[in-house]
Amino acid sequence: DTGVSQDPRHKITKRGQNVTFRCDPISEHNRLYWYRQTLGQGPEFLTYFQNEAQLEKSRLLSDRFSAERPKGSFSTLEIQRTEQGDSAMYLCASSPRSRGYTEAFFGQGTRLTVV
Amino acid sequence: AQSVAQPEDQVNVAEGNPLTVKCTYSVSGNPYLFWYVQYPNRGLQFLLKYITGDNLVKGSYGFEAEFNKSQTSFHLKKPSALVSDSALYFCAVRDWGTDKLIFGTGTRLQVFP
Repeated sequence: DTGVSQDPRHKITKRGQNVTFRCDPISEHNRLYWYRQTLGQGPEFLTYFQNEAQLEKSRLLSDRFSAERPKGSFSTLEIQRTEQGDSAMYLCASSPRSRGYTEAFFGQGTRLTVV
Repeated sequence: AQSVAQPEDQVNVAEGNPLTVKCTYSVSGNPYLFWYVQYPNRGLQFLLKYITGDNLVKGSYGFEAEFNKSQTSFHLKKPSALVSDSALYFCAVRDWGTDKLIFGTGTRLQVFP
């Protein structure tokens, strides 16, 4: 299966700790998106990359959050000094230029629990 | 600002009956609309999209959606529901500036045997 891969699938961390998530998009997909989904809500946009360039960051993305896509392939999302409100599912999606970026393919997500 | 609304938190339907999951949208300009499905502990799976053209869009797993510009709706439909269709369904609209997706709050579909 060459779909979008996210690691880890689950993460439990203590408040105040730093966590990092990884996303491997589908090969040759130029765009990579990060979304956050809390219980009972739809996914909310956090940030996206076109190749290695980070083109937009949501206001949801406080200065404790940082994302990178250093070589235009995989991406990492780091949360520093985690808070209980950061508990959510973090979803990564990639999108190909060949389809005009009209289809996004999602990974299975990383569920973060901050205790 | 662009948005979508899913007025029903849950839809219950008997297996074999037709199903409809509702979505209305608010956009400036022409909308790009999407439906995604989420199974437990799984990511979102793309079902179908409306970009332009025919108002009836066919997608995966026998689902289809009807775009209605006058009613600003994009309801998801299936002629005959399966128990395996039970999942969380999200309607989304594409933001013109960033191409990001703006999702509704989701509708849980329960198909009973």
